[in-house]
Amino acid sequence: QQQVKQSPQSLIVQKGGISIINCAYENTAFDYFPWYQQFPGKGPALLIAIRPDVSEKKEGRFTISFNKSAKQFSLHIMDSQPGDSATYFCAASTAGGYQKVTFGTGTKLQVIP
Amino acid sequence: DGGITQSPKYLFRKEGQNVTLSCEQNLNHDAMYWYRQDPGQGLRLIYYSQIVNDFQKGDIAEGYSVSREKKESFPLTVTSAQKNPTAFYLCASSQLAGASFGEQFFGPGTRLTVL
Repeated sequence: QQQVKQSPQSLIVQKGGISIINCAYENTAFDYFPWYQQFPGKGPALLIAIRPDVSEKKEGRFTISFNKSAKQFSLHIMDSQPGDSATYFCAASTAGGYQKVTFGTGTKLQVIP
Repeated sequence: DGGITQSPKYLFRKEGQNVTLSCEQNLNHDAMYWYRQDPGQGLRLIYYSQIVNDFQKGDIAEGYSVSREKKESFPLTVTSAQKNPTAFYLCASSQLAGASFGEQFFGPGTRLTVL
């Protein structure tokens, strides 16, 4: 019930295209859904996050779509650039003093010119 | 410049040795975490700590130990009992309240290789 399932495992997108990564969860107690971006040999960094009271959040070229009833959320990268090539992790956690974060297995994105 | 530092960046261990990975943060965060990352897998939680002198086991604590004697420091020891320690280790910290509540800040990682 704590699992977060992420797909696809890898993704190749042409420059200027849209990258879409999907995640699904089971635990309805989750109420914070961040996406992290990780470059090779580096630690992950928060990219964008959403709470379940909204269905969409946009920051620049990055958008999270959230479907509470389906228990799914997705990351859309518009106008994908080679510099977006990285591994993306979705995650979910519950509110409270300690945030135990459950991570998806990651999607390796390659944006080709 | 606030952040999390981990050292060393690369670490090599011989069979049967204990090694300690360093993690320091100057973000004044209460909570700190250790994760292990293996290829094709997500981040798996080893240990976490919400307050000085207190820490809890995560999902894969066997073969690891930690201490939290200071708020800014959370070292991880990989003991000889850990059968497959070769991995990328990530330290993180977070606030337990406030504007950035929920966000975990990660260090640059330590890559441990067993020879």
